[in-house]
Amino acid sequence: EDQVTQSPEALRLQEGESSSLNCSYTVSGLRGLFWYRQDPGKGPEFLFTLYSAGEEKEKERLKATLTKKESFLHITAPKPEDSATYLCAVQAGGSYGQNFVFGPGTRLSVLP
Amino acid sequence: EADIYQTPRYLVIGTGKKITLECSQTMGHDKMYWYQQDPGMELHLIHYSYGVNSTEKGDLSSESTVSRIRTEHFPLTLESARPSHTSQYLCASRGLAMGTQYFGPGTRLLVL
Repeated sequence: EDQVTQSPEALRLQEGESSSLNCSYTVSGLRGLFWYRQDPGKGPEFLFTLYSAGEEKEKERLKATLTKKESFLHITAPKPEDSATYLCAVQAGGSYGQNFVFGPGTRLSVLP
Repeated sequence: EADIYQTPRYLVIGTGKKITLECSQTMGHDKMYWYQQDPGMELHLIHYSYGVNSTEKGDLSSESTVSRIRTEHFPLTLESARPSHTSQYLCASRGLAMGTQYFGPGTRLLVL
């Protein structure tokens, strides 16, 4: 069964304190790994897609990396506006719609 | 920026009422999805569609139904709302050649 776990469940950082969020997955035939940001009461906002081990993507203070078993979202010198829940999702091989599996998310708080 | 819309944003309704949650996208995406998300919990897929006249049930058992008569429109209907249906409902769409899903802002449903 395809599974996605994320750690830590919650993370509190001081402004400027860099850290990493982890997404571990077990899937049969990874087609893509996706990172989203979700603010309270809103829909997830797309951040990155990673397709193969070794791939990296960057956007402002965020950098996503992928290995065969996990992905990391590195946050460099975070600001309070980076506070949100970060979701990881994987798409496995097979039919189109049923194989987007989401993790429970990591709630990030960045304190000024 | 993705153009996907959901209405209403908030809905409070009594038990037994029939409700329809609207979802529209202007990107011409063929794949559309409905997810249910309880506070602080992961997204669960309840329905998806490959295209017009194509609908499938997702991983999470749901008493709702969907229809896809037009590419841009994917409404979700609850024939008889119950308190257990209280949740946030998120609609998403995905283009044919692109991996990511784009999410709408969500509908927060409270059934009394």
